[in-house]
Amino acid sequence: GDSVTQMEGPVTLSEEAFLTINCTYTATGYPSLFWYVQYPGEGLQLLLKATKADDKGSNKGFEATYRKETTSFHLEKGSVQVSDSAVYFCAPGPSDRGSTLGRLYFGRGTQLTVWP
Amino acid sequence: EAGVTQFPSHSVIEKGQTVTLRCDPISGHDNLYWYRRVMGKEIKFLLHFVKESKQDESGMPNNRFLAERTGGTYSTLKVQPAELEDSGVYFCASSPDYTDTQYFGPGTRLTVL
Repeated sequence: GDSVTQMEGPVTLSEEAFLTINCTYTATGYPSLFWYVQYPGEGLQLLLKATKADDKGSNKGFEATYRKETTSFHLEKGSVQVSDSAVYFCAPGPSDRGSTLGRLYFGRGTQLTVWP
Repeated sequence: EAGVTQFPSHSVIEKGQTVTLRCDPISGHDNLYWYRRVMGKEIKFLLHFVKESKQDESGMPNNRFLAERTGGTYSTLKVQPAELEDSGVYFCASSPDYTDTQYFGPGTRLTVL
């Protein structure tokens, strides 16, 4: 069945460091891929998404590229800030193969802490 | 445009009691989803409504959980009777179409003592 493997945390970085959070998935067909973020005390927010192979999603300096050949969607940011401290979730979503199942499959989440 | 809202934000109950969680999706979103995150584990899908119909309820853990979406607007998730392992954060999400981005509510933190 569909599943996702996400780099386990916690990840602790200094401000302006480079961030990579790995995410690989297994899925039927070619799902849309999402990164969600949960800031302290808040709900899940969409960070970025990609809907087809080689698409790059980007937002707030974060980027992730849909890699069909490696079934990966790694999250990167060139220079993290203290305000990026949060839990990050990788989530494959519905496939383009006509499935009526709309569920997202979440990883365990990666806790990121950025120190000044 | 108002986002997805959930009520209550926190609930503390004793084992054996009943709790009802409510979710109000974004207006016009036919698709409504419930997810749950037990402490330290992944967020798991519970079920998916399309309007008032249950499209997929394969993630519901057992028959102590009952979800409804009368009229295709807000949804409720009832746990009866609650057990200790039901503790966690329950998230609701909505989307216009099942292929669209899902927008999440802030979650309800349920603690069963």
